[in-house]
Order: sequence, then structure tokens, then C-alpha cells
Amino acid sequence: DAGVTQSPTHLIKTRGQQVTLRCSPISGHKSVSWYQQVLGQGPQFIFQYYEKEERGRGNFPDRFSARQFPNYSSELNVNALLLGDSALYLCASSFYSKAYNEQFFGPGTRLTVL
Amino acid sequence: DQQVKQNSPSLSVQEGRISILNCDYTNSMFDYFLWYKKYPAEGPTFLISISSIKDKNEDGRFTVFLNKSAKHLSLHIVPSQPGDSAVYFCAASANTGNQFYFGTGTSLTVIP
Repeated sequence: DAGVTQSPTHLIKTRGQQVTLRCSPISGHKSVSWYQQVLGQGPQFIFQYYEKEERGRGNFPDRFSARQFPNYSSELNVNALLLGDSALYLCASSFYSKAYNEQFFGPGTRLTVL
Repeated sequence: DQQVKQNSPSLSVQEGRISILNCDYTNSMFDYFLWYKKYPAEGPTFLISISSIKDKNEDGRFTVFLNKSAKHLSLHIVPSQPGDSAVYFCAASANTGNQFYFGTGTSLTVIP
């Protein structure tokens, strides 16, 4: 079975632009979470979606938004990019929404904002 | 506000010896803990977990110990192998929540 897939692998944008990152969960998984990992730090929780509904949101500005589609894939959108948004964006899927479930991570999308 | 802390950014160990990675947390509501391993250019991979009803969980060469009174957990790898060289993240969650809080990671190097 395929694991969690993310696209694109790498992305370079300039300040003020908008970006959309995509994630496909493991087949059968209904929960998708997004994390931001800045260099030298651990992943920080951005959003969780379960059954197409937002179930959790981390301490990120409204420039960050996400959605989940009927096939459980998900998109993360970031508007008005800042230099500080440069990071590895990780998507994780799990079967249930509660954090007791092991989350399976994708390889991430490396976003560079110039 | 870093609720999960890994105070050792790096650790070097000889092959065959024990590796001990440490993690501290501040939130007393955390009751489920995991360790993830991360290689460069890959996403974190689940390694081992422990719930707060236990103080020890073993899986092959990997053992996680939980000291709830000290809000401390540790990962023991015995014996350490060169393929264990990676960044290890500790993560925690609470029953009331649905997100994990990660530490900043410890880079383990196992020297052949």
C-alpha cells in the first residue's frame, strides 16, 4: 500500500505570494494533520481534519487555511507568504481523529520563501 | 511555549553500546507519548509509544521509560547500530486533544 504522499516536493515562492500544498493520506485513513517544521525545531501542529471537518487548529495566523476533500485528501493554503514561512510542511494521516492513534507522516514539502 | 523538550541536540554512541535519549514535558494532561525517527528528506517514522498507565514499553531493541512524577521519558536503544543514526523526536498528546506536541529532536550518531 502507498504511504502518505505530498506534492510538490519542493517549492520556491516570493514574499506576498500564495501557495497550495497537497496531501493524500493512506487508503482508509480519514484524518489528516498538517505540521510545520522550521529548521532545528520539531514539527508544530497547524491543522487537523477528520471526515472533512476541522477538528483542531494550532497557533497559526489566519493566513493559513486548509480543507479536506471527500476522498480524504487535503490541501494546505498559505496566503501573503512571509520569509518566516520557509519550512518543511508535513502531512500526517491516521484512521481516527484522536491523538492516541499513530500518525503516519509523508515526506513533506520544502517551502522556501525569498 | 515549548511543552515538550529535548535538551540534548545531539548524541554520539559507539556501535553496540546503549543510546539513551531523554525528553521532558510540562503539561500534566499529557497521557500518551511517542518516539519518532527521522532520516533526512523523509517524514518522521513511528518508533514506539507508551501510555501513562504504563512506565515501560519494549519493542525489540527499543525501550521507552516513563516517569510521570518527574514528567520525563527516555528512549533506550540496545545495542545501537549505525542504521539508528537519525534525528529522534519525542511527542506527547492529551486524551482531551487531537494533536501531538513535538520536542526539538536529538540527532543520534552511532559510530561503527
